[in-house]
Amino acid sequence: GESVGLHLPTLSVQEGDNSIINCAYSNSASDYFIWYKQESGKGPQFIIDIRSNMDKRQGQRVTVLLNKTVKHLSLQIAATQPGDSAVYFCAENGGGTSYGKLTFGQGTILTVHP
Amino acid sequence: DSGVTQTPKHLITATGQRVTLRCSPRSGDLSVYWYQQSLDQGLQFLIQYYNGEERAKGNILERFSAQQFPDLHSELNLSSLELGDSALYFCASSVEPENTEAFFGQGTRLTVV
Repeated sequence: GESVGLHLPTLSVQEGDNSIINCAYSNSASDYFIWYKQESGKGPQFIIDIRSNMDKRQGQRVTVLLNKTVKHLSLQIAATQPGDSAVYFCAENGGGTSYGKLTFGQGTILTVHP
Repeated sequence: DSGVTQTPKHLITATGQRVTLRCSPRSGDLSVYWYQQSLDQGLQFLIQYYNGEERAKGNILERFSAQQFPDLHSELNLSSLELGDSALYFCASSVEPENTEAFFGQGTRLTVV
């Protein structure tokens, strides 16, 4: 699993700006990826997912991009709002017999200033 | 509210003790997952059950065990507790066993003193 210290990557943006959160994954066999948002004192909340046969998927104000060549995932949040402030995690599903197991990235702290 | 219920919300116990964490999945969800979140290890997958059967196993210590009951609720048992077991323990559930759109509970914060 991932090792997380006390110093997570941080991203500070102004309200109304677009935010891009990046994630590198490790398992080339992973075929399913999810972005989660975790607010203080709460459990992770599903945002959007993407399968490996796609390179882009859009939701409400969010877009996930997948680049399998370099094993990179990004989450774009349009018109970021103060309520978007949280820790964002990418997670990969190992596929095959590990399909039930999600491996989470270390997380990125997003702070949105009014 | 995700629909996944975890009890208790907070638990303080001494080293060497045994505790049981409980999870009720969302209505209709057959799959239950347990995760541990700590500052130094992040979110770590522990174990998954689907319709009562163990489906996938992660970095779960031998001192820890889990089960899923016929009514689909699940319990995570932690024994011989150590200070390092202090963490947030999350339960998640999904309809299918493939972890698509897994919904997380609010977690149980375990403090071992």
